Amino acid sequence: NAGVTQTPKFQVLKTGQSMTLQCAQDMNHNSMYWYRQDPGMGLRLIYYSASEGTTDKGEVPNGYNVSRLNKREFSLRLESAAPSQTSVYFCASSATSGGMRETQYFGPGTRLLVL
Amino acid sequence: AQKITQTQPGMFVQEKEAVTLDCTYDTSDPSYGLFWYKQPSSGEMIFLIYQGSYDQQNATEGRYSLNFQKARKSANLVISASQLGDSAMYFCAMEDSNYQLIWGAGTKLIIKP
Repeated sequence: NAGVTQTPKFQVLKTGQSMTLQCAQDMNHNSMYWYRQDPGMGLRLIYYSASEGTTDKGEVPNGYNVSRLNKREFSLRLESAAPSQTSVYFCASSATSGGMRETQYFGPGTRLLVL
Repeated sequence: AQKITQTQPGMFVQEKEAVTLDCTYDTSDPSYGLFWYKQPSSGEMIFLIYQGSYDQQNATEGRYSLNFQKARKSANLVISASQLGDSAMYFCAMEDSNYQLIWGAGTKLIIKP
């Protein structure tokens, strides 16, 4: 049972380059999330998708775009990477878009370095 | 504003001892959820335990229990009989009224043999 998968695991970019981080879940979850984790800080929400066809901004959306391709897949795109986007990126999913106790399950993360 | 505070950046605990990781939260919502996640050095985030604001009893999951003190707005994680494999970062998170998680900065726990 794969759960939440992310690709790539590691990526080095030059300032100004673009890239897309891929995320897929096989748990039939409605909601999906993108977080970034910086040293010494908790996770910060970039974007989320409560259900297929919808996306909403989180705490730190600037510099990112997302696409909820279908129920399984949620991608994060950096159009013009900046050194401040060096971080570890986590994708997560949860069962429904509403109601408490929607435990989020996480992918293994993508380590991104922008030079 | 809603906020999660973890005041212990790091802790050292002797193997087999119990350990308490602190978490305080701030919210004006009457309904909320509190989560603890573990992040080992390999980097993945592992769900440990959940407590709902209306739950009458403290949550327990195996060696993990949550000491929920609603009036004090605290939700401390207790790990009984610690093991070397418990060494990791531990994050407290709160689900807000928009069903989004707000995260604390984490506590690095090191278990000494």
